[in-house]
Amino acid sequence: AQSVTQPDIHITVSEGASLELRCNYSYGATPYLFWYVQSPGQGLQLLLKYFSGDTLVQGIKGFEAEFKRSQSSFNLRKPSVHWSDAAEYFCAVGGSGGYQKVTFGTGTKLQVIP
Amino acid sequence: GAVVSQHPSRVICKSGTSVKIECRSLDFQATTMFWYRQFPKQSLMLMATSNEGSKATYEQGVEKDKFLINHASLTLSTLTVTSAHPEDSSFYICSARDRGRNTEAFFGQGTRLTVV
Repeated sequence: AQSVTQPDIHITVSEGASLELRCNYSYGATPYLFWYVQSPGQGLQLLLKYFSGDTLVQGIKGFEAEFKRSQSSFNLRKPSVHWSDAAEYFCAVGGSGGYQKVTFGTGTKLQVIP
Repeated sequence: GAVVSQHPSRVICKSGTSVKIECRSLDFQATTMFWYRQFPKQSLMLMATSNEGSKATYEQGVEKDKFLINHASLTLSTLTVTSAHPEDSSFYICSARDRGRNTEAFFGQGTRLTVV
């Protein structure tokens, strides 16, 4: 069974500080990994994804994530957080193929303080 | 990127009535669509996998007779909440993956269902 663990339920950072959100996954084969962001009452927006190749992937809004197979991790980073980054962040894992379901972590709520 | 349209975005219904939510892939074909439910301040829980032309696969604990799923075409799946009750109030989100490519799942904007 596939699963995702986001150990941090809530994180508070100062605007301009760096950010790292943790994600660990369990998947029986080569995983497809995603990070999504959700603003209150809204749907999900894809930040970035990893399918294969370079283990450091760049996404939108200045986010990046690094796939580490040995640690089963896919942590999300941003060098300088903006107040508009305050939202809920979800890590997800799925298999290849359009029929494969995507499983989400429990999410990390990011608060940005001035 | 690909677009998934979900309608309605918000709906309020009376207890005991049924509500239908539509999920459309606008510029790609989706053999499979997924329906999620999100409780306040919680993650997305997969309810069922909708397969075009066949019966949906429900996750454990999800009542198939209460949450009817129909996937009549490669671009449309519907979720009907039958005999809705206040505890069914939630945020429902659909997603779809392009059957022709290994890509991420594209999500609809969600439907906020309130049962009064």
